[in-house]
Amino acid sequence: EVQLVESGGGLVNPGGSLRLSCAASGFTFSDAWMFWVRQAPGKGLEWVGRIKSKADGETTDYASPVKGRFSISRDDSRNTLFVQMNSLKTEDTAMYYCSTRRPPYGDFPLDFWGPGTLVTVSS
Amino acid sequence: EVVLTQSPGTLSLSPGERATLSCRASQRISNNYLAWYQQKPGQAPRLFIYDVSNRVTGIPDRFSGSGSGTDFTLTISRLEPEDFAVYYCHQYGGSPRHTFGQGTKLEIK
Repeated sequence: EVQLVESGGGLVNPGGSLRLSCAASGFTFSDAWMFWVRQAPGKGLEWVGRIKSKADGETTDYASPVKGRFSISRDDSRNTLFVQMNSLKTEDTAMYYCSTRRPPYGDFPLDFWGPGTLVTVSS
Repeated sequence: EVVLTQSPGTLSLSPGERATLSCRASQRISNNYLAWYQQKPGQAPRLFIYDVSNRVTGIPDRFSGSGSGTDFTLTISRLEPEDFAVYYCHQYGGSPRHTFGQGTKLEIK
């Protein structure tokens, strides 16, 4: 059974940093393309970014609002996905979901989601 | 940038009725790369439809997707109580690679 569990959320001041983690199990993590999607309170879904597998170059891609501030990485030895969030703004307040799909991997719809971790940016 | 606009924002219907949800793209969606998700309060989204019209395994056949180019539709032929939720469309073929619509809330009338 595929499981994704996010952690690392919390309250942070504007301008601060936070690193979120996503522990994955139930599939071959090293083969998977992994995604972050966020949802501001009471709002819709927003794609944050994606990292390809190492075999596909471990390329990252980001949404415009977070480009240059967020950095997605992965540790295949620990089956863990990360997002380093710097220069945080109040508009980054959201539930952050880790997500992936069943093979074949690629920029395709997302079958599996974690329960999310809440990030609140406020002074 | 591909912007997805969903309408209506809220749809109030009764169980047994037919629901029609719209998703319009600001640019043509290539390869029919358009999906639909359902989200219930306090839960993560759940993929229902991919590539415009393909149902995920286990999704009832009262759900159907259609459309092409820039106009797409999710139809629920006969609403069941468990269908009342928020629905999002998602394009995965444009630039930026992925965008979501703002959602349509399907509520019980």
